[in-house]
Amino acid sequence: EIVLTQSPATLSLSPGERATLSCRASQSVSSSLAWFQQKPGQAPRLLIYDASNRAPGIPARFSGSGSGTDFTLTISSLEPGDFAVYYCQQRSDWPSCTFGQGTKLEIK
Amino acid sequence: EVLLVDSGGDLVQPGGSLRLSCEGSGFDFSRYEMIWVRQAPGKGLEWVSYIDSSGRIIDYADSVKGRFTISRDHTERSVFLQMRGLTTDDTAIYYCARLGWYGSGRVPDYWGQGTLVTVSS
Repeated sequence: EIVLTQSPATLSLSPGERATLSCRASQSVSSSLAWFQQKPGQAPRLLIYDASNRAPGIPARFSGSGSGTDFTLTISSLEPGDFAVYYCQQRSDWPSCTFGQGTKLEIK
Repeated sequence: EVLLVDSGGDLVQPGGSLRLSCEGSGFDFSRYEMIWVRQAPGKGLEWVSYIDSSGRIIDYADSVKGRFTISRDHTERSVFLQMRGLTTDDTAIYYCARLGWYGSGRVPDYWGQGTLVTVSS
């Protein structure tokens, strides 16, 4: 099973700052990686697919990069609604998939 | 508008059974693969099960294999998760999600609102 490790566990930043979230895979997943945002009491929301492509309706301040085992989600300038938990997900060993343990982005 | 509605969650005793349902609307349900994902209280997301559009290809996480059964009914536009032999470790919010085609593969693009399963005596 491919394990995804996200870091940091918690990130404390202020609105307007830049956020950089990391996801590392235990083995190569090529570009088969997605990012999700989850707010309290809500279902996850797709942000990024294939490591670097924004899903429809996702603002340009969200960007993804990486391939193989190391991936990054960047939020260029944080808005109040961006404070949430973020998960990466791989589908390299389809049809199963795995999620990272999440990074909580909180207001400093 | 694409909509998925999860239902069937309840309080059940250890060893008990429960059947979850997820009804889709606003899209051609018969063409999409579906998954179930769960989230234990205060924890992260865990993939549980997968079913392809035909219902013939199925997969499960090791943690539920042999106890859970996924199925679908196109006339009801629904996917189901039959859960047996429940333990306290199965306590979670269960989400169904549609797998949409994006780029080189499929990703969960629409999710149900979740249904809470609590296993406790």
